[in-house]
Amino acid sequence: KAGVTQTPRYLIKTRGQQVTLSCSPISGHRSVSWYQQTPGQGLQFLFEYFSETQRNKGNFPGRFSGRQFSNSRSEMNVSTLELGDSALYLCASSLVPGNQPQHFGDGTRLSIL
Amino acid sequence: GQNIDQPTEMTATEGAIVQINCTYQTSGFNGLFWYQQHAGEAPTFLSYNVLDGLEEKGRFSSFLSRSKGYSYLLLKELQMKDSASYLCAVIKAAGNKLTFGGGTRVLVKP
Repeated sequence: KAGVTQTPRYLIKTRGQQVTLSCSPISGHRSVSWYQQTPGQGLQFLFEYFSETQRNKGNFPGRFSGRQFSNSRSEMNVSTLELGDSALYLCASSLVPGNQPQHFGDGTRLSIL
Repeated sequence: GQNIDQPTEMTATEGAIVQINCTYQTSGFNGLFWYQQHAGEAPTFLSYNVLDGLEEKGRFSSFLSRSKGYSYLLLKELQMKDSASYLCAVIKAAGNKLTFGGGTRVLVKP
């Protein structure tokens, strides 16, 4: 069965712009989490969604937001982009929240000029 | 908060064994995951431990001691393709948030 699909794979933006990233979970998975990966900070949790509800949020500014749709697909949005937002954004899905392996997509590499 | 520590880098020879340690300090611990990540690729799930003891999966084994806040990933019969970063991550009782260590880059030499 298909894995977690993230689009786009690569994105180049300039400071001040906004961006929307998309994630389609593995079929049947209802929990979606987002992570940011940078060389300096490693993998950091952004937020998680289950049943269209945000259940948890990491320590990121309000410029970072997300949502989940009824088909479990999720989007994250970053507004007023800053140079420091350049990173690999990873989406992970699991059947339900909790003690379940989370399976990651290939990520969206966002570069801010 | 949570502290998760693992070595930054390890080097080993093809065919050998390498043990990657991970120590953590957290409240509400509900399990520990190990992921493998090749450069430029997504992390892939390797193992999950919630109870003390050793879980074996082919060439890879993972151990957990909850009282010591300690886990290790054991890679046996190393192959060149095992050169990658290995990430230790802790999950708490509430929610689905994984907190990751900085990752250990393993280099396998011929």
